[in-house]
Amino acid sequence: AQSVTQLDSQVPVFEEAPVELRCNYSSSVSVYLFWYVQYPNQGLQLLLKYLSGSTLVKGINGFEAEFNKSQTSFHLRKPSVHISDTAEYFCAVSENTGGFKTIFGAGTRLFVKA
Amino acid sequence: EAGVAQSPRYKIIEKRQSVAFWCNPISGHATLYWYQQILGQGPKLLIQFQNNGVVDDSQLPKDRFSAERLKGVDSTLKIQPAKLEDSAVYLCASSVTAGGAYNEQFFGPGTRLTVL
Repeated sequence: AQSVTQLDSQVPVFEEAPVELRCNYSSSVSVYLFWYVQYPNQGLQLLLKYLSGSTLVKGINGFEAEFNKSQTSFHLRKPSVHISDTAEYFCAVSENTGGFKTIFGAGTRLFVKA
Repeated sequence: EAGVAQSPRYKIIEKRQSVAFWCNPISGHATLYWYQQILGQGPKLLIQFQNNGVVDDSQLPKDRFSAERLKGVDSTLKIQPAKLEDSAVYLCASSVTAGGAYNEQFFGPGTRLTVL
């Protein structure tokens, strides 16, 4: 069975600084990988996804993530954050087999300070 | 395009009472998911439907939780009887299909359940 570990529960950062949110996964089969964002009192919204092909994936709002198969990681990055990026970020993995069940990490709260 | 609709948005009940949540997915989406999100945790899949059939319900506490998607469109999730530990946000999501390039899940706003 697959699992997802988000290595940081909270990440405080100053506005316009770069940020990296870390995600590691484990699975015995090939996987799809996702990052979702959840703003306060809202549902989850897809930031980006990796299905196959290029390991560098670009998403909305200037975010990107890199799939590293050897390290089983899918870290999310943004070169310059804004106050409006303050939210909860979830990494998710879906096995490319069977029912394609999706497992979510526990989340990383990004707090952008002025 | 209308998003995933859920109702009610908030619900407060006493323990041992019953409660039901409703979800209307995006039109044409074959796959529907119910997640439980406890405060401070990531969403946990309770049940996944493909049209009106159950694909995965391995984490659904079947002694108290039930879900149905009778016509392959909208769905209801029921808890009977509720326990204190059921306090959570219940998220509904839908996708065109479960695998492949069209597996992006679109989430509704959720129903926040408080069990007293």
